[in-house]
Amino acid sequence: KQEVTQIPAALSVPEGENLVLNCSFTDSAIYNLQWFRQDPGKGLTSLLLIQSSQREQTSGRLNASLDKSSGRSTLYIAASQPGDSATYLCAVYNNNDMRFGAGTRLTVKP
Amino acid sequence: DAGVIQSPRHEVTEMGQEVTLRCKPISGHNSLFWYRQTMMRGLELLIYFNNNVPIDDSGMPEDRFSAKMPNASFSTLKIQPSEPRDSAVYFCASSLGTGSYGYTFGSGTRLTVV
Repeated sequence: KQEVTQIPAALSVPEGENLVLNCSFTDSAIYNLQWFRQDPGKGLTSLLLIQSSQREQTSGRLNASLDKSSGRSTLYIAASQPGDSATYLCAVYNNNDMRFGAGTRLTVKP
Repeated sequence: DAGVIQSPRHEVTEMGQEVTLRCKPISGHNSLFWYRQTMMRGLELLIYFNNNVPIDDSGMPEDRFSAKMPNASFSTLKIQPSEPRDSAVYFCASSLGTGSYGYTFGSGTRLTVV
C-alpha cells in the first residue's frame, strides 16, 4: 500500500526566503504526482502536476521536481511571501488511487 | 467552467439524523471521488466512480455511508444515521480519466454532528 510522507510537518520562514518542501512515497510505480495548496477552512487548489515521465514542472515562483526511482519529490518556493502561508499537500497517483501526505504547514512571516 | 461544486458548504445536524452531501463535477470529467478530511487521519478516499459506476468503495467506513451517481453531472454522499465521529470536511473531486491528468477538488462540506 502506497504511503506518502511529507517533511517537515510545519515550517516557519521570514519573508523573502527560498524554501523546499519534501515528499516521499514508498511505491515508485506512480502515474503522476500532484502538489496542492490548502488554506485554512478551504478546499485544495492544484499547484503543479508532474507526470511520471517528467522530472519537473514550474509555475511562477514554484518548481516541483520528481525522482521516481528514489520515491521523492520536492516543491521549491522562491522568494516566499506572506500570501504563501498555507498547508501544502503532496499526492501520488497509481492503480486508480490517489494517496495524500499529511501536509506541510508553511508560515511566512512579514 | 465553475469547477467542482459542492453543497452545502456547512452542515450542522443532530446525531441520528440523515445527512446528504452533494457534488457536481466538472463537465466532461468522467471520474468522481469522495474524500473525508480530519485532523487525525488527514485526507481519506471514501469512494470513487468512473463513468457513473462505483469502482472502489473500500474506504467507506461503514454501512451508514452510501454514495450514488445517477448521472454524469451529479453525485450524493449520504450518512444515515449520522454520529458525532462523522464530523469532518468532506471533499468531492473530479478528473478526466481515472486521475492521470490530476484531480480538481471542490471547496468541501464541513459537517458537524452534535
